[in-house]
Amino acid sequence: QKEVEQDPGPLSVPEGAIVSLNCTYSNSAFQYFMWYRQYSRKGPELLMYTYSSGNKEDGRFTAQVDKSSKYISLFIRDSQPSDSATYLCAAQKVTFGIGTKLQVIP
Amino acid sequence: DSGVTQTPKHLITATGQRVTLRCSPRSGDLSVYWYQQSLDQGLQFLIHYYNGEERAKGNILERFSAQQFPDLHSELNLSSLELGDSALYFCASSRGGQGDSPLHFGNGTRLTVT
Repeated sequence: QKEVEQDPGPLSVPEGAIVSLNCTYSNSAFQYFMWYRQYSRKGPELLMYTYSSGNKEDGRFTAQVDKSSKYISLFIRDSQPSDSATYLCAAQKVTFGIGTKLQVIP
Repeated sequence: DSGVTQTPKHLITATGQRVTLRCSPRSGDLSVYWYQQSLDQGLQFLIHYYNGEERAKGNILERFSAQQFPDLHSELNLSSLELGDSALYFCASSRGGQGDSPLHFGNGTRLTVT
C-alpha cells in the first residue's frame, strides 16, 4: 500500500463546475500537506500548503485536511479550461500521490 | 517561474553511459530535493540535501549519487544507465530542512536512454 493514495482519473467536468480532488494517506505522523498542479512537460507548481487539520482558501482554491480520517481534499470553484492539468497531492515533502488528471471542458 | 533552474532540459544518451543533471535552487533556499517521475510510478523521492549535507534518502539506486555544493547548487549523477532510467528528473528547493516550508520545483530534465 502506498503512503498516499490518489485516484488517477481522468476526471472530466464542464466549465464552471466545482471540482473535488481527494487523497488518503496512511501515516498519522504526517503534518504538512501540499497540492501541486502539473501541466504536461512542466514541473509541478505549488497551489496550496497546509499544516495539520483545517481549511485553507486561496482564490478559487480551497484545501482541506481531516487528520482523523487521514483525508485531504482540494476544491476548485468556477473551474476553467486552463485548470486542465494533473493535480498532485503530497504529504511532508517526500510522499506524493500519483496525480489526478483533470479536464475542464468549455 | 518558480526560481528553480534545471539543466539540461533534455538529455539523450546510450545504455551504460553516465550523465550529470544540475539544479540551482531559489535564492535563499537551503534545501534541495531530487525526484524521478515516470508514467507508471508517479513522483518518486530520491534524495534530500540541506546546506551541503545529505539529510534523507528515498528510492535512490546505488548507481545514482548526488551532492550539494557550497554555493547550494546540486548535481545528480546517474551512471551505468539502463533503459528503465528514462524518466523526468525534477529538482525542488525549500527554505528549510523540515516540513515548515513548501517545495518549489524546476521544470525538470527529460532523460532518454537508448
